[in-house]
Formats: sequence, structure tokens, C-alpha cells
Amino acid sequence: SQTIHQWPATLVQPVGSPLSLECTVEGTSNPNLYWYRQAAGRGLQLLFYSVGIGQISSEVPQNLSASRPQDRQFILSSKKLLLSDSGFYLCASQGQLNTGELFFGEGSRLTVL
Amino acid sequence: AQKVTQAQTEISVVEKEDVTLDCVYETRDTTYYLFWYKQPPSGELVFLIRRNSFDEQNEISGRYSWNFQKSTSSFNFTITASQVVDSAVYFCALGRGGNKLTFGTGTQLKVEL
Repeated sequence: SQTIHQWPATLVQPVGSPLSLECTVEGTSNPNLYWYRQAAGRGLQLLFYSVGIGQISSEVPQNLSASRPQDRQFILSSKKLLLSDSGFYLCASQGQLNTGELFFGEGSRLTVL
Repeated sequence: AQKVTQAQTEISVVEKEDVTLDCVYETRDTTYYLFWYKQPPSGELVFLIRRNSFDEQNEISGRYSWNFQKSTSSFNFTITASQVVDSAVYFCALGRGGNKLTFGTGTQLKVEL
């Protein structure tokens, strides 16, 4: 089965600073990859998804960007963080059955002060 | 557009009580998948079940059971004889298969001794 690794697990950053969250996947090849953000009381919001290297789709206009430099690596970035970027960020990989099942990483908790 | 509603924000029960988590969905697709995920305090989402739109059979897995009713667009989740380890946030999700999932806002379940 797949294993999703995310780091850092916890991050406290000042407003205006850059951000880089990394996600790597083991146990599969050419997966669809996703970045979700979980804000309190708002469930999981899909931010980006990628069907292959260099292919990124953005779901909502925002201060963040994503990149996929390698098949099993997915990076979430920002040049200048906003207070509203605080949240719990989850990386996910599509299951091989292609039925929509997702495998999630441990998450990265970002606090912007 | 797809939508998932989990009207129960938080539920508290005493151990050994049965508890039902509600999920109502909206979609115009005739083929779709429904999911339940568990998010323990550690943060990582754990897949519990997937149901496709053509299979309305209820499913039981140990103390967990799921009731899928297309007539009411509901996919409810019941935990029988709840235990403290069941305390978590539970998410219901809707997907088309091979595509991104739409999540509900989650239900926080607290099981107390």
C-alpha cells in the first residue's frame, strides 16, 4: 500500500515570509496527487491537484502555488504568507483502483503570526 | 456542483452507546462514489469505506455499519457500542472516480468513559 510523507509537521512563520511544504509518496508510481487545507469548522478544501510531473491544477484562487518536480514529489509554496494561510495542510495520493479513494499524509500544521 | 453536508458538528456519547453520523450529498452524476474517513487526533485521515452509486446494500464491518439510501441522498455511518478509541473527526466525501473528492465539514465524535 501507499505511504505519504509530509514535512515539516509543524511550522510557525511570520506574515510575509515564504513557505515550502513537501510531500513524497512511496509504494506507487504516477499517482494523482492533491493538496488539501483543513481550516477549523470548514472541512477539507482542495487547493491543487496534479496528474503528472509539471502538471498542476488550481482549484481556488489564492496566495499559494504547487509544483511537482518528480513523479512522487509534490510541493506547496508561497512567496509571502498571509494570516489566512494558517491551517492544517494534507497531501493525498490517489489509490490505484482509481475509484477516488485517497491515501493521506500525516499533515503539516502551519501557523502564520 | 457536488456538495456534502454533515450537519452534526460535534457529538458526545458515553462509551458503549451507539452513535450515528449523518451525511447528505448532492450530485448530478449518475455514477459516483461515497466515502467515510476518520481523522484521529494525530491528524492523518484514515480511509474507512467506499461505496459506489450502484450498490445500495448496507455494509457492516465489526462495530461499524453504513446505510446508503439514494432516495434520500444519504450515507449514514453508525458505530455500535462506541469506545474511547472511536473519538475522532469523521468526514464523509463524494467523488466521481479517478477525480478529486468533495468533503463534508466533518463531525467531531467524543466518546467518554
